Amino acid sequence: RKEVEQDPGPFNVPEGATVAFNCTYSNSASQSFFWYRQDCRKEPKLLMSVYSSGNEDGRFTAQLNRASQYISLLIRDSKLSDSATYLCVAHDSNYQLIWGAGTKLIIKP
Amino acid sequence: NAGVTQTPKFQVLKTGQSMTLQCAQDMNHNSMYWYRQDPGMGLRLIYYSASEGTTDKGEVPNGYNVSRLNKREFSLRLESAAPSQTSVYFCASSAQRGTYEQYFGPGTRLTVT
Repeated sequence: RKEVEQDPGPFNVPEGATVAFNCTYSNSASQSFFWYRQDCRKEPKLLMSVYSSGNEDGRFTAQLNRASQYISLLIRDSKLSDSATYLCVAHDSNYQLIWGAGTKLIIKP
Repeated sequence: NAGVTQTPKFQVLKTGQSMTLQCAQDMNHNSMYWYRQDPGMGLRLIYYSASEGTTDKGEVPNGYNVSRLNKREFSLRLESAAPSQTSVYFCASSAQRGTYEQYFGPGTRLTVT
């Protein structure tokens, strides 16, 4: 079983819509979580950290549910420029990053 | 600031050939990493260097070696390339090992025939 699992998508969403996707993790000892964004044929870049209390950055909201072992990313008022692959990442107790395979998002005009 | 740079951007090797991927960062980061990314899979850690002078194996170290040449540079060597090593390789750095943002280079697309 993969340690961090994501729906690969693609999620096809019209511009302006709200989209949400989840990521599940198997290691209950995971301490920190992140969402990275990766554009096609580019390197990953940090989108946001995920705190226990949840956090919001503009149109993006990340939530952590430790009881069910998943994190979520919500994008409101989606833009064409949001089209990318979103990578879910968990830190394990050895400070290693465990990466999901990513969810592909396509925003259509 | 250039951030994290990698060379080469593309490479084609024949089975059994060797090569070294170069990585450098100008952010004065202590920790550096080498990952590979394959379709349908998450990034997998090959080796990392928590600080200058140290290197440790990651999840998939077989067939690779690394050198932390100085604080800025961290190279990855394939001694005898195999088709299974066809992948995109990313170098990354972070201020410290742990819960710190990792900054990635643009990647090297390697094909082994």
